[in-house]
Amino acid sequence: RKEVEQDPGPFNVPEGATVAFNCTYSNSASQSFFWYRQDCRKEPKLLMSVYSSGNEDGRFTAQLNRASQYISLLIRDSKLSDSATYLCVVNTLPPNFGNEKLTFGTGTRLTIIP
Amino acid sequence: NAGVTQTPKFRILKIGQSMTLQCAQDMNHNYMYWYRQDPGMGLKLIYYSVGAGITDKGEVPNGYNVSRSTTEDFPLRLELAAPSQTSVYFCASSYYPSAEAYNEQFFGPGTRLTVL
Repeated sequence: RKEVEQDPGPFNVPEGATVAFNCTYSNSASQSFFWYRQDCRKEPKLLMSVYSSGNEDGRFTAQLNRASQYISLLIRDSKLSDSATYLCVVNTLPPNFGNEKLTFGTGTRLTIIP
Repeated sequence: NAGVTQTPKFRILKIGQSMTLQCAQDMNHNYMYWYRQDPGMGLKLIYYSVGAGITDKGEVPNGYNVSRSTTEDFPLRLELAAPSQTSVYFCASSYYPSAEAYNEQFFGPGTRLTVL
């Protein structure tokens, strides 16, 4: 079983729709969780950290379910500029520690259709 | 700030050749990392450094070497290039302890390497 599993997609979603991705992780010792965004042939960039209580940043909402070991990302009112690959990232270290224990998912590819 | 910079952007090597991928950051970050990203795979950590003079292996260090003589620079050396090293290489940096609630990692634009 992969340490971090994501549905690779592609998800083809009409503009304005709501889309949700899930990610499951296998290491119960994982302590911090992130969503990164990677545009085609570009470097990953942090989208948001995922807090235990869930958190929202504009149109983006992230949730964590420790009991079931999954993380979700919800995008509301999707825009063309949301087209990218979304990487689920898990750390066995606390969120403000170093990043040498990060495990990256393979990513979920999202295309927003006009 | 330029952030994290990497050179070259692209490179084609022949089997058995060697090269150094350059990485520099101007954010005074103490932590630096090298990853490789293969198609359909997650990023894998090759080596990392927690400060000048200190390096350690990541998940996939075989065939690579690193050094960290300054805070700013973290070059990755490939000796005896093999087709299995064809990949996109990303350098990244972060600062610990983070002043934020989480430790954001900043990536460079990547080097696309092909070994033929």
